[in-house]
Formats: sequence, structure tokens, C-alpha cells
Amino acid sequence: GDSVTQKQGQVTLSEDDFLFINCTYSTTTYPTLLWYVQYLGQGPQLLLKVTTANNKGISRGFEATYDKGTTSFHLQKASVQESDSAVYFCALVDWMDSNYQLIWGSGTKLIIKP
Amino acid sequence: GGIITQTPKFLIGQEGQKLTLKCQQNFNHDTMYWYRQDSGKGLRLIYYSITENDLQKGDLSEGYDASREKKSSFSLTVTSAQKNEMAVFLCASSIGGKDGQLYFGEGSKLTVL
Repeated sequence: GDSVTQKQGQVTLSEDDFLFINCTYSTTTYPTLLWYVQYLGQGPQLLLKVTTANNKGISRGFEATYDKGTTSFHLQKASVQESDSAVYFCALVDWMDSNYQLIWGSGTKLIIKP
Repeated sequence: GGIITQTPKFLIGQEGQKLTLKCQQNFNHDTMYWYRQDSGKGLRLIYYSITENDLQKGDLSEGYDASREKKSSFSLTVTSAQKNEMAVFLCASSIGGKDGQLYFGEGSKLTVL
């Protein structure tokens, strides 16, 4: 079946560092790919989304590019701030059991040292 | 904008007890979901519903029941609480289809004594 892999369980950076969070996926279709962010004590919220119509998503300084060749959808930000501390989930929309469902990665916790 | 309201925010129960979590949304979304999130872990789908009175099992449905009697509400019952069940339960809604955007509540934290 389809899957999403986030190999980094945790990333620790200092303010103004460059952020790179790895996400790879496996699917036989052309998926919609998403990044969600979960701040402490809250539910996840959509950060950005990419479809087959546009291969790059940008939001709040974060960007992710859909690379069919490497089946990757890495999340990047040029300069992180303490307020970016959160858990980041990569996900794809899959057709399963006659319905569209989200397949979630395991999440990457971002810690920003003040 | 809309909101997802989960009640209660904190739920404490005894092992073996039947416990119910409730979720309301005012987005007028067709599809609603219940996920379980264990501490420091990812999201696992318990149940979802694509319309009123519809129920679909997720990967983690064993030990849970769900009910969608109205479009705006979706409840989840833990049929017999176990100590390893302590987790945050997240409700979400979406327009469904290939959109992929879910709107989540803040979660209900379950503690089993």
C-alpha cells in the first residue's frame, strides 16, 4: 500500500538556522501531498499543500517541492524562529476502501534553542 | 471560519469502564474523523464518517465504537478502557474528496486509572 516516511524523529536547531525535514512517499498514483504542523496542546493544522497541478507549496516562509523522480516532498525554511517549535507531519491523500484518506508520516519534532 | 469543539478536554476513567468522547463542528463538512495520538507519536485513524449515519473503520477501530447521528456531531466510545489506552484523541472534519485539508479540534486527553 501507499506510505509516507519521515526518518527524522527530532531536529534541534538554533534561531536563524536553515531547516530541512525529510519526507519520502510511495504511491502508484499522482498524489496530493501535504505538510501539517502541530503546536503544543493543539491539533495539527495544514501548513501547505501541493497537487499535481503545482509542484511547489509555500506558506509562512516554509516551502516544499514535489519531486516525482525521487518521490520526495521535503520541508524547508531558510531561517527558523523559536515560534516554529512544533511537530511537523508529512501526509498524502490516497484512494482506499472506496474513499479518499490521508496517509500520515510519523512526525518530526522541531526544537529551536533560544 | 468554523471550529471543532471536543468534549471533554480531559477524561479520567477506570480500567474496564465505557467512556464517550464528543465532537461538534460548524464547518458544515460532510466528513469527520477520530484519531488517536499516543505521547510523542503520530496519528492513527480509529473511525471516520463521510456523511450522517455513515461509519467507516480505520486501522485502530477494535475496542472503539462511533456514532454520527447528525452531520455536525461525531462521538467516539471506548468500550472498555485499558491502561495502555492513555492518549490524546483528536477529532477532525473535512469537505472530503481529494482535498486533504482536515480541520482538527484541540484534543481530548484520556487517562485510565
